[in-house]
Amino acid sequence: GAGVSQTPSNKVTEKGKYVELRCDPISGHTALYWYRQSLGQGPEFLIYFQGTGAADDSGLPNDRFFAVRPEGSVSTLKIQRTERGDSAVYLCASSKTSGRTGELFFGEGSRLTVL
Amino acid sequence: SQKIEQNSEALNIQEGKTATLTCNYTNYSPAYLQWYRQDPGRGPVFLLLIRENEKEKRKERLKVTFDTTLKQSLFHITASQPADSATYLCALGSGANNLFFGTGTRLTVIP
Repeated sequence: GAGVSQTPSNKVTEKGKYVELRCDPISGHTALYWYRQSLGQGPEFLIYFQGTGAADDSGLPNDRFFAVRPEGSVSTLKIQRTERGDSAVYLCASSKTSGRTGELFFGEGSRLTVL
Repeated sequence: SQKIEQNSEALNIQEGKTATLTCNYTNYSPAYLQWYRQDPGRGPVFLLLIRENEKEKRKERLKVTFDTTLKQSLFHITASQPADSATYLCALGSGANNLFFGTGTRLTVIP
């Protein structure tokens, strides 16, 4: 597609359930980022991939959060045992390179609500 | 850890005036700084990039300055229009690593 695609756009789940959020980056973009954005806040960094490997996962809040990018394209963010505090918009972005000036192209986000 | 502050949560200005948004940072030495626009319910959209060795960058009605001594960037929109109403985010990056975002300033241009 022309832009970064994220699915689902909305997800409502119950506390304790497992959730997967998918990101399909722009074709040819090697760098992929996950951010989390709460209402009224800026995007909070979670994890960054360069190709298939996680180059920086220092933003993942705890071990309930995990992300993969097995073939260097599509990425999945996985959240286990969801908590109400996980409710937020999860944004994915891709970039041509991880270079010093890499402009990020964002998807529209996946809004997660944990009841 | 790094801290990025944007001058205010909300800024209201009259159409035709210049809007000035501020981004201050501490505990960080960014190699570059980017500004993004975010509309409600949408992902951020890139506007401008300025590198650490550049003082000023312009693009149409937009102007960005970067003062590494003051640890501050100013973002100006001249001849503002109601369509400029949105949240504006600054983001700092260094090397090949990730980008850290500020909290954003919600700009409203009043007709």
